[in-house]
Amino acid sequence: EVQLVESGGGLVQPGGSLRLSCAASGFTFSSYWMSWVRQAPGKGLEWVANIKQDGSEKYYVDSVKGRFTISRDNAKNSLYLQMNSLRAEDTAVYYCARVNDFWSDEMAHYYYYMDVWGKGTTVTVSS
Amino acid sequence: DIQMTQSPSSVSASVGDRVTITCQASQGISSWLAWYQQKPGKAPKLLIYAASSLQSGVPSRFSGSGSGTDFTLTISSLQPEDFATYYCQQANSFQFTFGPGTKVDIK
Repeated sequence: EVQLVESGGGLVQPGGSLRLSCAASGFTFSSYWMSWVRQAPGKGLEWVANIKQDGSEKYYVDSVKGRFTISRDNAKNSLYLQMNSLRAEDTAVYYCARVNDFWSDEMAHYYYYMDVWGKGTTVTVSS
Repeated sequence: DIQMTQSPSSVSASVGDRVTITCQASQGISSWLAWYQQKPGKAPKLLIYAASSLQSGVPSRFSGSGSGTDFTLTISSLQPEDFATYYCQQANSFQFTFGPGTKVDIK
């Protein structure tokens, strides 16, 4: 069964740090881009970061640049999100997601989409 | 950065109704658009990718259309299990963006 399981969430004080993990199983982890997406209480979805299969490319939403770092360990089938200088507005459920692709012969390019999601881990930033 | 808008922000509908949700990108994104369904307390679920391709296992009453800047998600005959929030998401580059969501609730 294809599965993603997040862990590492919890309560942290403003300015503190936390490291989230996402364990992948049931698919060849090293073949996929991976994402982190978050959802603040009562709010919509916000994409946070993407990482390429070999970790050579990383992208971040502006609000976390310089504070969060996405990484992966393909030998351990694991994705990580190191979160530093946490703020109250980082309070959210954090989901990891697999980025799948679809080749279009007509358009001669790939389409990307997040097709497998974990159940999420909750991060609360509060004093 | 590419911004996404959705309308309406919420819609009240009855079982059997046809429901249409629109999504607009701030610049052209070809067909790099996906739609997700989310129920309270649950992870999002992929419905549509590449603007109009139905994800495996998703009922055929869901359909997507559009390209460039304007996109539509249609539920042809609303079922009880379809009451949820729907999000569009662009993947024109690896800087993804979600729309703000459309909540479909019971009339």
